[in-house]
Amino acid sequence: AQTVTQSQPEMSVQEAETVTLSCTYDTSESDYYLFWYKQPPSRQMILVIRQEAYKQQNATENRFSVNFQKAAKSFSLKISDSQLGDAAMYFCAYYGGATNKLIFGTGTLLAVQP
Amino acid sequence: SQTIHQWPATLVQPVGSPLSLECTVEGTSNPNLYWYRQAAGRGLQLLFYSVGIGQISSEVPQNLSASRPQDRQFILSSKKLLLSDSGFYLCAWSVFSGGATDTQYFGPGTRLTVL
Repeated sequence: AQTVTQSQPEMSVQEAETVTLSCTYDTSESDYYLFWYKQPPSRQMILVIRQEAYKQQNATENRFSVNFQKAAKSFSLKISDSQLGDAAMYFCAYYGGATNKLIFGTGTLLAVQP
Repeated sequence: SQTIHQWPATLVQPVGSPLSLECTVEGTSNPNLYWYRQAAGRGLQLLFYSVGIGQISSEVPQNLSASRPQDRQFILSSKKLLLSDSGFYLCAWSVFSGGATDTQYFGPGTRLTVL
């Protein structure tokens, strides 16, 4: 069965600095999708970035980028120039055709220090 | 553009009372619809998903049920709430496109407290 692991329950970063959130997953599928979602205190889940497994190029969205290592089954999120508004819970998620379900990790709570 | 609505935003209900949470999507047709629950400090648990009107798949056996009476409406119900039903309920939608999934987009959620 597919699993998603986020080994960092909490992280902290100084404003304007860079932080990397880790995510590993386990799957036997070759075609799948990976996502990072952000959940601020309002608790609405907001899509941050998406990566297709067949693409070798790492996805980027403004200050957010990923380091996708397919062989290692690793999918980390890098936030550059951190802002106070980046403080939130971040969830890594996996979607594969075998289960047709979005499988979430347990989340990493990111604090941004002014 | 597509938008997703959930109501109510907050709900406090006594144990044993019924429940009805509603989710509607605008700006898209034939979406896949999902209900998730998030307990305090935890990740998301998929409860139900639907690929069309009247088509419901249940992921977790419990005292909750879901219905999809219209293409863009998804309802989560219970006849008798339990204390363990407390949590944050999120609705999401996606559009299946040609053999590949599309991204799930989430609503603002409903905070349910059962006393």
